[in-house]
Amino acid sequence: DVKVTQSSRYLVKRTGEKVFLECVQDMDHENMFWYRQDPGLGLRLIYFSYDVKMKEKGDIPEGYSVSREKKERFSLILESASTNQTSMYLCASLALTGFDMNTEAFFGQGTRLTVV
Amino acid sequence: AQKVTQAQTEISVVEKEDVTLDCVYETRDTTYYLFWYKQPPSGELVFLIRRNSFDEQNEISGRYSWNFQKSTSSFNFTITASQVVDSAVYFCALSGGGADGLTFGKGTHLIIQP
Repeated sequence: DVKVTQSSRYLVKRTGEKVFLECVQDMDHENMFWYRQDPGLGLRLIYFSYDVKMKEKGDIPEGYSVSREKKERFSLILESASTNQTSMYLCASLALTGFDMNTEAFFGQGTRLTVV
Repeated sequence: AQKVTQAQTEISVVEKEDVTLDCVYETRDTTYYLFWYKQPPSGELVFLIRRNSFDEQNEISGRYSWNFQKSTSSFNFTITASQVVDSAVYFCALSGGGADGLTFGKGTHLIIQP
């Protein structure tokens, strides 16, 4: 059974703290993504990675950074957490199999982060 | 730029009614992929369907059916004989097939009342 696992389901952090959200996939997928989900805004892409040590900014990268040292692990880092980063964070991975992308994006269970 | 519009923020129906969730997309890609995901209260996104731009055939899976029309850039989702367990937020998403992920709509919150 395919799996994308996020390290925490719920997290409470203080303003100014450095926060790490971890995501691990066991499908040997090249591509991994971090989204945040807010009511009325849907899912918005923060960062993505298409290979080890490669990263690309998504639509809302400000205040975040990422790390991909190993293929299976993609970490989202909040350098100095702020209250407006309180949100649900979702990690996803997928494999691209050429012209006919016969795959889907698999999502983790989500991390609900509260910054106080 | 890609865009997905789910104009229905919330839909409430009584159990056993049929319900259609609308999805309209914009893309300049000639090859693209459309998805529907279900997000129950537990929060995890559950994959429902993927359709590529070359395949306009409608699909039926049990009580679920999807209508893909390139002429109107729509990919609508119908639940027949709805059940309480169908209550969830449903997301439509679009991908150009590249490594840059999926673009999601804002979701439709479906409430099925007993």
